[in-house]
Amino acid sequence: DAGITQSPRHKVTETGTPVTLRCHQTENHRYMYWYRQDPGHGLRLIHYSYGVKDTDKGEVSDGYSVSRSKTEDFLLTLESATSSQTSVYFCASGQGYNEKLFFGSGTQLSVL
Amino acid sequence: GNSVTQMEGPVTLSEEAFLTINCTYTATGYPSLFWYVQYPGEGLQLLLKATKADDKGSNKGFEATYRKETTSFHLEKGSVQVSDSAVYFCALSDSTSYGKLTFGQGTILTVHP
Repeated sequence: DAGITQSPRHKVTETGTPVTLRCHQTENHRYMYWYRQDPGHGLRLIHYSYGVKDTDKGEVSDGYSVSRSKTEDFLLTLESATSSQTSVYFCASGQGYNEKLFFGSGTQLSVL
Repeated sequence: GNSVTQMEGPVTLSEEAFLTINCTYTATGYPSLFWYVQYPGEGLQLLLKATKADDKGSNKGFEATYRKETTSFHLEKGSVQVSDSAVYFCALSDSTSYGKLTFGQGTILTVHP
């Protein structure tokens, strides 16, 4: 299957601190995405990228920023973490409409 | 905007029972429809997909038919196994969305021996 890795797998942090999650893919996929998974909400899109340096907001982007300086890397930053951002974060990559997405194994983030 | 609604869960079945998980959608244009599965502690993986009306996606004994007239994509399996215990997500993408998926809330399936 596609190589897509996330780091870290688990993180505990304090309210108000910045946090960066990393996603790395080895499939040369053009599109990359960050989702968060919360009970009762399924997965909700935070930000996505449609090329190097090309990013846009998803439905729950407040308090998050992203950067994509290389095709293979997509970073998600929580500028000042809040308890409401405690969640499981998934990165995904793909080749676009009609094509399946490949998901990483997730990052469990706890903000205390 | 796009939206996906899945049946309320969790669903608990005995091994070899018939499974149906309902999924309906709202979308502009002609979306592609997907079912993803998430096993405990893992990311999501594609189970099956359908890209146009009346298409049937199938994989590992699971099936779903793209019904444009009822805007539905219900997941079925004739005989479930304990190993099918997982969370199932219905999702769609449309041609304007850069491949973004809109997900339903997920349905937890537990199969007992």
